[in-house]
Amino acid sequence: AQRVTQPEKLLSVFKGAPVELKCNYSYSGSPELFWYVQYSRQRLQLLLRHISRESIKGFTADLNKGETSFHLKKPFAQEEDSAMYYCALSVNTGGFKTIFGAGTRLFVKA
Amino acid sequence: ETGVTQSPTHLIKTRGQQVTLRCSSQSGHNTVSWYQQALGQGPQFIFQYYREEENGRGNFPPRFSGLQFPNYSSELNVNALELDDSALYLCASSFGGGGYTEAFFGQGTRLTVV
Repeated sequence: AQRVTQPEKLLSVFKGAPVELKCNYSYSGSPELFWYVQYSRQRLQLLLRHISRESIKGFTADLNKGETSFHLKKPFAQEEDSAMYYCALSVNTGGFKTIFGAGTRLFVKA
Repeated sequence: ETGVTQSPTHLIKTRGQQVTLRCSSQSGHNTVSWYQQALGQGPQFIFQYYREEENGRGNFPPRFSGLQFPNYSSELNVNALELDDSALYLCASSFGGGGYTEAFFGQGTRLTVV
């Protein structure tokens, strides 16, 4: 069965420090992977997707098929990055579905 | 252009009852996905509707059913409510079916089953 694992429920870093939010997936096919973010009192929104290979708000994520990982990284964390981050995997196995991880709460300290 | 709206925002139901949740998709979108989010968990995919047809389904029993209308708005119906159905229900609209384009989420409906 397909699965997305985010091993850290909470990640706390100081402002200016590098941050890495981990995401591992299990899927035998070609994965479509996303990172979604939810800021306080806001809706869940797309941060980035692997297919577009873009950097959003300084965040990047690289798909590593060998390690089945899609970790989210930012070299210098900002206080406004504090939010809930979800990794998600979209698959089509005779029907479409999107599987979300449990999420990691990032707290950036001043 | 209007965003995704869900109604109601909150409701309380008794075990065994039925409930209907509604979602208006973003202008120009033809796909709606529904999710259940329990406290402290990520969203769990219930199903997706694309052009009024079910396009995919997660591991939810048949008492979870849905509908998409010609204007692409959607309903989620849950029969024979159980206590474990208490959760935040999210809908997300997108264009083109599947999950390969950006999904825009609503604010959610908080369902409490007592």
